[in-house]
Amino acid sequence: QITLKESGPTLVKATQPLTLTCTFSGFSLTTGGVGVAWFRQPPGKALEWLALIYWHDDKRYTPSLKSRLTITKDTSKNQVVLTMSNMDPVDTATFYCVYLKNGIFDPWGQGILVTVSS
Amino acid sequence: DIVMTQTPLSSPVTLGQPASISCRSSQSLVYSDGNTYLNWLQQRPGQPPRLLIYKISNRFSGVPDRFSGSGAGTDFTLKISRVEAEDVGVYYCMQSTQFPHTFGQGTKLEIK
Repeated sequence: QITLKESGPTLVKATQPLTLTCTFSGFSLTTGGVGVAWFRQPPGKALEWLALIYWHDDKRYTPSLKSRLTITKDTSKNQVVLTMSNMDPVDTATFYCVYLKNGIFDPWGQGILVTVSS
Repeated sequence: DIVMTQTPLSSPVTLGQPASISCRSSQSLVYSDGNTYLNWLQQRPGQPPRLLIYKISNRFSGVPDRFSGSGAGTDFTLKISRVEAEDVGVYYCMQSTQFPHTFGQGTKLEIK
């Protein structure tokens, strides 16, 4: 059974960076075709894709946030870390990490609500 | 970026009746490998999203067969043959053919 869980601060001050960790089980990020993606969802709004890291360390970012995002993996710990710099109140959202294989995005983690205070 | 446009944005449906949601992309979603990476996700109130349909019409594991997807190119449809109470929530189409992956605005399904 594949599971993912997001962890990190739930309150961040504006201009500070945010670091979120996705800890997963049930798969290895060294297996061909596998990836982990991050999405976010502001309260009451639609989903937005942020970043993706593949088993071979290829990384993709959404262009509008590329300068602020960094995604890394630690295969020994079964973790993927997302860092977003210079947080702003408009970045308040629930962040999800998701398993990807063969073009299929599922399962999703439960999500973590991050509030950015001014 | 590929823009995904869903209609309607809200859909009140009577239990047991069918429901249909449309999704249109601003450009073709056919990838170079011949596949079309159009997905449908369901988000029940207070829950994370869940994959229903991938590559236009493939039901994901555990998804009831009352859900079906169809379409091609730039026009896609999610149909629920008979709506049940547990289907209440927001439905999103998402394209993963091209980076950045993008979503429709979401369609809120509610019971009349």
